[in-house]
Amino acid sequence: AQKITQTQPGMFVQEKEAVTLDCTYDTSDPSYGLFWYKQPSSGEMIFLIYQGSYDQQNATEGRYSLNFQKARKSANLVISASQLGDSAMYFCAIIPPSGGYQKVTFGTGTKLQVIP
Amino acid sequence: KAGVTQTPRYLIKTRGQQVTLSCSPISGHRSVSWYQQTPGQGLQFLFEYFSETQRNKGNFPGRFSGRQFSNSRSEMNVSTLELGDSALYLCASSLGGGGTGVNTEAFFGQGTRLTVV
Repeated sequence: AQKITQTQPGMFVQEKEAVTLDCTYDTSDPSYGLFWYKQPSSGEMIFLIYQGSYDQQNATEGRYSLNFQKARKSANLVISASQLGDSAMYFCAIIPPSGGYQKVTFGTGTKLQVIP
Repeated sequence: KAGVTQTPRYLIKTRGQQVTLSCSPISGHRSVSWYQQTPGQGLQFLFEYFSETQRNKGNFPGRFSGRQFSNSRSEMNVSTLELGDSALYLCASSLGGGGTGVNTEAFFGQGTRLTVV
């Protein structure tokens, strides 16, 4: 079984500052994939970034980077230079070795609010 | 290219009724997954369809069912609605291949917000 833990129900960040959203995971599978999604109030889940368990380098996508620490089983999302449009719910998710979205497990989410 | 389209966006039903939700995936995507999102339970996997076959099913009662058509469009049906079925139902479309590479990225629709009264 896989599990994702997001311990921060809500976060505030000043516009233009960086923020880190925490995510720890638990899995017995030797390989897996980790995702971060953003969900604005409109409801749509927007893919942000992906990290494979065997990837040597931390994933980056524009202002998003994933601080992957495999030994600690953590996959924190770092958003640099926060913008007002970053205010949303953020979900960390893990997929099993078989891949796909057959049984992806999501965390409970962190609500990020960017303050002007 | 067009994104994932879910219809309807909002729905109000009464207890005991049944409801059908629709999801049109991105062109070329063969996998459609469905999720239920509630404040209390978060995002929970319902089922996944690939090439018209249900590949996996989550821990939901038999009142929840689905199907996929030859054009990859998918529908989910909930019969005998209960108040607890009120939720945002999201569908995700992906290529559906195996492995854990980034090509497993899924694109979500905006969801159908179902309210049962």
